Amino acid sequence: GNSVTQMEGPVTLSEEAFLTINCTYTATGYPSLFWYVQYPGEGLQLLLKATKADDKGSNKGFEATYRKETTSFHLEKGSVQVSDSAVYFCALSDKTSYDKVIFGPGTSLSVIP
Amino acid sequence: DAGVTQSPTHLIKTRGQHVTLRCSPISGHKSVSWYQQVLGQGPQFIFQYYEKEERGRGNFPDRFSARQFPNYSSELNVNALLLGDSALYLCASSLVALAGASYNEQFFGPGTRLTVL
Repeated sequence: GNSVTQMEGPVTLSEEAFLTINCTYTATGYPSLFWYVQYPGEGLQLLLKATKADDKGSNKGFEATYRKETTSFHLEKGSVQVSDSAVYFCALSDKTSYDKVIFGPGTSLSVIP
Repeated sequence: DAGVTQSPTHLIKTRGQHVTLRCSPISGHKSVSWYQQVLGQGPQFIFQYYEKEERGRGNFPDRFSARQFPNYSSELNVNALLLGDSALYLCASSLVALAGASYNEQFFGPGTRLTVL
């Protein structure tokens, strides 16, 4: 079945450091790919998305490119801030199953001043 | 416009009890999905409803059930609660739920935190 794997955390970075969170997926067909963010005590927020191969999603300085050949959707940010501390979930939307979202286990990010 | 709303925010129950969680989708959205997020894990799909019909079901026991009302709001019911049902229950709404559609973004509510003692 469809699944998402992402790098285990927690990840701790200093402010202004470069961030990469790896994500790979297994899916039939051509799913849409997402990164969601969950700040402490809050619900899920869509951070960025890509709906087809080679698309680049971007938002708030974060970027991820849909790589079909490597079935990957790695999240990157050039300079993290303390306010980026949160849990990040890679996810895919299964078009063959009415767009239910399948999430990875999440990666906790802590940014220290 | 208001986003997805869920009630209650927090809930404490004991084993064996029954619970009902409620969700109101974004105005105009006809599809509602439910997810369970156990602490430290990613959300797991439970149900999807579209136009009051169940369109998808995840790998959850029959103790879990749901329904969607004519105004597109939804209830999730869990019977015979177990300690392992303690989780954040998330509701998400989307405009439609059409297989093969190019993209239907799901908007998530803040969740209901259920604690089973």
